[in-house]
Amino acid sequence: EAAVTQSPRSKVAVTGGKVTLSCHQTNNHDYMYWYRQDTGHGLRLIHYSYVADSTEKGDIPDGYKASRPSQENFSLILELASLSQTAVYFCASSARTGVYEQYFGPGTRLTVL
Amino acid sequence: GEQVEQRPPHLSVREGDSAVIICTYTDPNSYYFFWYKQEPGAGLQLLMKVFSSTEINEGQGFTVLLNKKDKQLSLNLTAAHPGDSAVYFCAVYQGGRALIFGTGTTVSVSP
Repeated sequence: EAAVTQSPRSKVAVTGGKVTLSCHQTNNHDYMYWYRQDTGHGLRLIHYSYVADSTEKGDIPDGYKASRPSQENFSLILELASLSQTAVYFCASSARTGVYEQYFGPGTRLTVL
Repeated sequence: GEQVEQRPPHLSVREGDSAVIICTYTDPNSYYFFWYKQEPGAGLQLLMKVFSSTEINEGQGFTVLLNKKDKQLSLNLTAAHPGDSAVYFCAVYQGGRALIFGTGTTVSVSP
């Protein structure tokens, strides 16, 4: 079965600190995504990637960077964490062809204090 | 760009009752549609995918209807049970980038 894992599952960070969220997939998928989920909202796309060593901005990229060093790994980086970035972050992957359904990881709960 | 409105935001039903969630999208070029289920503390699990034209898909305990004429996608939980308690999201794909998600519906099923 398709598998997307995320680490850490939960993190507490201080304002102004650097945070790195990691995602690993064993689906052999080309596409990977980072979403943010806030209470009362749906998922909002932060960054995505079609291929290793390349990333694209999503709908809310400000304050976030992304890195795709290999097909399997996709990281989300908060260089200067802020209170407003407290949220649950989900990583997902999808195939290049087909019907583009996305497979999600379990999420990382980030709290910035 | 594409907008997806999902309603209602909350649903409380008794076990055995039915519940309907409706998503309305704006872009007529959208062509793949999905329903996801998110249980507490977990990621999103793909429930069903539907494609072009009017289509009814049935899964275990639910029915999905796509009406492209009205640009609506619906999820009908038939004979709800406590295990159906979760947040449900619709999602739309129109090509080129990621899915566009609805805002979610929290379903609570009481015995």
